[in-house]
Amino acid sequence: AQKVTQAQTEISVVEKEDVTLDCVYETRDTTYYLFWYKQPPSGELVFLIRRNSFDEQNEISGRYSWNFQKSTSSFNFTITASQVVDSAVYFCALRYSNTGNQFYFGTGTSLTVIP
Amino acid sequence: GAGVSQSPRYKVAKRGQDVALRCDPISGHVSLFWYQQALGQGPEFLTYFQNEAQLDKSGLPSDRFFAERPEGSVSTLKIQRTQQEDSAVYLCASSAYTWVAYNEQFFGPGTRLTVL
Repeated sequence: AQKVTQAQTEISVVEKEDVTLDCVYETRDTTYYLFWYKQPPSGELVFLIRRNSFDEQNEISGRYSWNFQKSTSSFNFTITASQVVDSAVYFCALRYSNTGNQFYFGTGTSLTVIP
Repeated sequence: GAGVSQSPRYKVAKRGQDVALRCDPISGHVSLFWYQQALGQGPEFLTYFQNEAQLDKSGLPSDRFFAERPEGSVSTLKIQRTQQEDSAVYLCASSAYTWVAYNEQFFGPGTRLTVL
């Protein structure tokens, strides 16, 4: 069973629009960690954010913001005022505390920002 | 170098050939991971090393896949008798810590393997 679901396969937006990438995860333990990674065309996964299951406080970092809601098992990612450089594939990922070495990635959302 | 490096970046193999993929983690990082990323998919865990010890190889898809990290730094992923379904990008990642659930992993650029 898929532990992390990213239902949006591809999204296209016009530059300066806001865009939200959805992530729904499957919970098994009370302690777990959620991540977002960006994968530009160069292929290297770039860490964006980490959240633990006990911290539901939303976070904002520049144009990026994350909305963590345990009630709906979601960890959505919003880019405000999108830029062409935001074009990439974005992955949501999950780790459980007691099997910490195993990283469960979603299938990714390919974002294209049109100038 | 400052980041995780992998070589070669691209590898084309004929079906049945053996291949070896190299990963140079960030200096001093104790944890090292290998992932397989098929086209259009997210990375899937293959194996995990803590220093030279391979603590988890549950993700290796078959006994044709073998990984080693003999001195606790550089790691090699070897695939014997390659098959077309082995075509994928192989990603390596390292982490400075042994408690890996929470801590950030740094990924390399990957090796794109194409099996003809």
